[in-house]
Amino acid sequence: AQKVTQAQTEISVVEKEDVTLDCVYETRDTTYYLFWYKQPPSGELVFLIRRNSFDEQNEISGRYSWNFQKSTSSFNFTITASQVVDSAVYFCALSEANAGGTSYGKLTFGQGTILTVHP
Amino acid sequence: AAGVIQSPRHLIKEKRETATLKCYPIPRHDTVYWYQQGPGQDPQFLISFYEKMQSDKGSIPDRFSAQQFSDYHSELNMSSLELGDSALYFCASSLLADSNQPQHFGDGTRLSIL
Repeated sequence: AQKVTQAQTEISVVEKEDVTLDCVYETRDTTYYLFWYKQPPSGELVFLIRRNSFDEQNEISGRYSWNFQKSTSSFNFTITASQVVDSAVYFCALSEANAGGTSYGKLTFGQGTILTVHP
Repeated sequence: AAGVIQSPRHLIKEKRETATLKCYPIPRHDTVYWYQQGPGQDPQFLISFYEKMQSDKGSIPDRFSAQQFSDYHSELNMSSLELGDSALYFCASSLLADSNQPQHFGDGTRLSIL
């Protein structure tokens, strides 16, 4: 069975600080997908990034960056120079490939990390 | 671009009543997923459909049923509602054959049971 663990329940930082959200996953599959979603106070789930298990390249998108390390089963998310608008709950999620290996199926979410950025 | 549409956005029901939640996927998407997110919890997978057939099932109570129609929209039917059913219900859609696209989530239906 697949499992995602976000050990940090809550993180509080001051604006402009860098912050890293940890994510550790478990799966028996060799083909899987990892995701990060943001859930602002308004409640919607906003897709941030998707990574497949064969792509260990780190990615940077503006102030966001992701570090995928298969050796430690981790997919950590860093926000550089945090802003008040980054305050939200962040979910890491895992999906195993479907039977044909062509795509992914249901998402298993971690417990979420509540990030609060103070002015 | 068109997104996943869920209706209603908010729903208030009393215990033992029934509720129907609707989901309209992104055009051309053939797969629909339903998730339930309790207060302070992470979203939990309920059920999914591919080409109008159930493709996977999670922790969906027997009191709930769902289907996907010929126009690909989906409905989640909930009966004998309990206080514990109060949650945010998300629908997501994807194109199964396109692994480059993530599941796109609707804004959710917030169900409150009084």
